[in-house]
Parts: sequence; C-alpha cells; structure tokens
Amino acid sequence: DAGVTQSPTHLIKTRGQQVTLRCSPKSGHDTVSWYQQALGQGPQFIFQYYEEEERQRGNFPDRFSGHQFPNYSSELNVNALLLGDSALYLCASSLEISGQGTDTQYFGPGTRLTVL
Amino acid sequence: AQKVTQAQTEISVVEKEDVTLDCVYETRDTTYYLFWYKQPPSGELVFLIRRNSFDEQNEISGRYSWNFQKSTSSFNFTITASQVVDSAVYFCALSATSGGSYIPTFGRGTSLIVHP
Repeated sequence: DAGVTQSPTHLIKTRGQQVTLRCSPKSGHDTVSWYQQALGQGPQFIFQYYEEEERQRGNFPDRFSGHQFPNYSSELNVNALLLGDSALYLCASSLEISGQGTDTQYFGPGTRLTVL
Repeated sequence: AQKVTQAQTEISVVEKEDVTLDCVYETRDTTYYLFWYKQPPSGELVFLIRRNSFDEQNEISGRYSWNFQKSTSSFNFTITASQVVDSAVYFCALSATSGGSYIPTFGRGTSLIVHP
C-alpha cells in the first residue's frame, strides 16, 4: 500500500522565483492538505483540497496557491519567494467521511525548500 | 479557537528510562479528536494514535501508552523502557469542526533524545 509521496525532496530557489511542489496521496484517499513547517515549529496549515477545489485555507497570503487533479494528486505553488518561505512543506492525505469531515491525516516525507 | 500546548521543548533520557510527554489542549467544541505524531530526523510525520473526545479510555500499544483526561484537558504520552530509536520530535494535535472540516492544530513539539 503506497503511502503519501512528495517531490522533489529538496529544492533551492532564490528570492522572487516561483516554485511548484507535488504530492500524491495515499491509495484510497481523496483529500489533500498542505502544511508549512519552519525549523523548531509545528506544522502550520496552508490549505486543503477536496474534489479539486480549495475547501479551507489557513493564514497564508495569496502567493500560496494550489491545485488538485482528478486522480487526487496535488500541487502547491508559491510565487515571489521570500527568505521566510524557507521551510519543510508537508503534504497530508485523508479520506472524506460524510458528515464528519476528514479522517486521520497521513503525511508524506516533505519537501525541504531553501530560499537564498 | 483551538490551541495545543506542549510545554516541554526538549527531554533527554537514558535508554530504558520511562518518559512522559505532556500535551494540554483548548477547544470550545464538544466533539474533537486528539492525535500524536512522531517526526524522526527524516522529516516524515508518523501517525501514532487518534482519540475522540467521547472516549476517555487510556490506551496501551506495546511500550507506548496514552492518558486522556478531559477534566484537565490533557492527552499525555508515555514511552516505557525508552530506546534510542525513540529519539524524535513528537507532536500533539487537536482536530475539531471548523467550517465543517476537521483541520488539526499542532503543538510546537517535544524533542526526545534517548541516550544509549
């Protein structure tokens, strides 16, 4: 049973550039959430995608955008990169349970983004 | 608003010692879920346990045990006879309905170092 996969593993960008991170959910899952984890902090929720639409969003600027594809995989895009965007970006997948929100989230290994 | 507090930033023990990681949460919801995740140096968050607000039974899984007390809003995690492989950052998380979807709020994590 394939777990959550993310690519790339590491990425180095310079300020002002744009980046796209990718995530494939665990088999059978239909919901993808993205988190930013700064060094020494807990994961911070960016947004969640379900049925190819952004269902919920955390306190992140519009520079952060995403997409979910019909096969449930997802992309996170960040425009106009800032030094402060350097972090581990985690993708989590879960299964929507009618009337109860989503089930337990399972996380991928993350993408380490460094902005110089 | 939801909040999770992990007051212990770092705990250092010697192998075979028992160790308890504290987690205190705040929420106004009556239905909620509590989680513990383990994050080894590789970065991936590994799901350990999920507990719903209506089930206060303590749980034991091998060397791991969890103590959920609604009266003190705590969900503590104990590792018995710790091993070097237990060294990781442990996160407690709280998930409650928010606009119809349960998005977990994470604590800042407790770094556990187990020395041989």
